[in-house]
Amino acid sequence: DTEVTQTPKHLVMGMTNKKSLKCEQHMGHRAMYWYKQKAKKPPELMFVYSYEKLSINESVPSRFSPECPNSSLLNLHLHALQPEDSALYLCASSHGAGGNTGELFFGEGSRLTVL
Amino acid sequence: SQQGEEDPQALSIQEGENATMNCSYKTSINNLQWYRQNSGRGLVHLILIRSNEREKHSGRLRVTLDTSKKSSSLLITASRAADTASYFCATPPNWGLTGGGNKLTFGTGTQLKVEL
Repeated sequence: DTEVTQTPKHLVMGMTNKKSLKCEQHMGHRAMYWYKQKAKKPPELMFVYSYEKLSINESVPSRFSPECPNSSLLNLHLHALQPEDSALYLCASSHGAGGNTGELFFGEGSRLTVL
Repeated sequence: SQQGEEDPQALSIQEGENATMNCSYKTSINNLQWYRQNSGRGLVHLILIRSNEREKHSGRLRVTLDTSKKSSSLLITASRAADTASYFCATPPNWGLTGGGNKLTFGTGTQLKVEL
């Protein structure tokens, strides 16, 4: 079983809604990540938090807003999304936060559908 | 652009057979990782091989790395129906990048189907 917990598992929202995805880990990992995955495609990196600070933003549109309230929690706030944003959103964590960190631990993902 | 590309894109074998997947990457790496993803689920880390290693084993998994050809292969021996999943190789950024976490880039993936 994964030690990274994501909620909700499924989310359906309209283009004018505001919603949030949540991620939690209690492994003491110092880096946390958001990935987006479309069907039959590899995960694509969106954001990286290192020691609770945003360290990488892969030119993600501002309608996605990440937040790291503490070392165990990671949120992804969603606002004014488009239907093409429908995807599986994966949260991950890793022990270290520098280069060559090693393996990532993934949650089961939040399946987002934008109507 | 994708760092890694895998082939085949899809592979169908019978239970008990071996499955081999290949990964090619473009830039120099410090390590290469393999992940498995069951349909619609999260990814699970399988094995990490460092750039100074040529081969690594973990249970029924055997990974090779050829840095001169910028390629890696994953062999699953004596496959089982439960091995049915997508398999991705993943590479971190080039040596020397400090801070900022692990910008792991995933290959295109191989969909493996193991039939009874």
